Amino acid sequence: KAGVTQTPRYLIKTRGQQVTLSCSPISGHRSVSWYQQTPGQGLQFLFEYFSETQRNKGNFPGRFSGRQFSNSRSEMNVSTLELGDSALYLCASSPSGLHYEQYFGPGTRLTVT
Amino acid sequence: SQQGEEDPQALSIQEGENATMNCSYKTSINNLQWYRQNSGRGLVHLILIRSNEREKHSGRLRVTLDTSKKSSSLLITASRAADTASYFCATAPTSGTYKYIFGTGTRLKVLA
Repeated sequence: KAGVTQTPRYLIKTRGQQVTLSCSPISGHRSVSWYQQTPGQGLQFLFEYFSETQRNKGNFPGRFSGRQFSNSRSEMNVSTLELGDSALYLCASSPSGLHYEQYFGPGTRLTVT
Repeated sequence: SQQGEEDPQALSIQEGENATMNCSYKTSINNLQWYRQNSGRGLVHLILIRSNEREKHSGRLRVTLDTSKKSSSLLITASRAADTASYFCATAPTSGTYKYIFGTGTRLKVLA
């Protein structure tokens, strides 16, 4: 099976812009989670989707949003970008969530200037 | 604060030695997982141990879980230079929230 793919891999944006990141999970996986990783804060949970429904959300402002499509592909959007949003954004998929291991994509490196 | 805290934060050993890293957490869990991350890349799942298990092996990896102490350890035996990476524990709480909580990570450097 193909692994988790994320596009784009690298992105440079300017403060105030918005960005959309994409994640394609492993075939058959219905749960997709998003994480933000920064040197200062480590790996922080953004949100998790299962069958097109957001099941949980981390402690991030409303500028961070996501969605999941019927084919389990997921997107996350960050509006009004701030310098502090520069990070590695990781997507992970699993068959159904908490009882299974997660498979991570390579991440999208977002730089906000 | 972080649910999982790894200890030590950094570890440097010689090839062939064993590496042990620890993870402590705060709430009741369904399972605990260990992941490896090579510099700036995605995480790779290493091993999952459920709350009713005490020890699990996978190749050169040995994981223990002590739910009474809310702690876990990861032992890598006969380490290799290729094991150089950051290692994270992630806990799946029993609270019903569908999110894993990752620890702060241990940076392991294996010197050839």
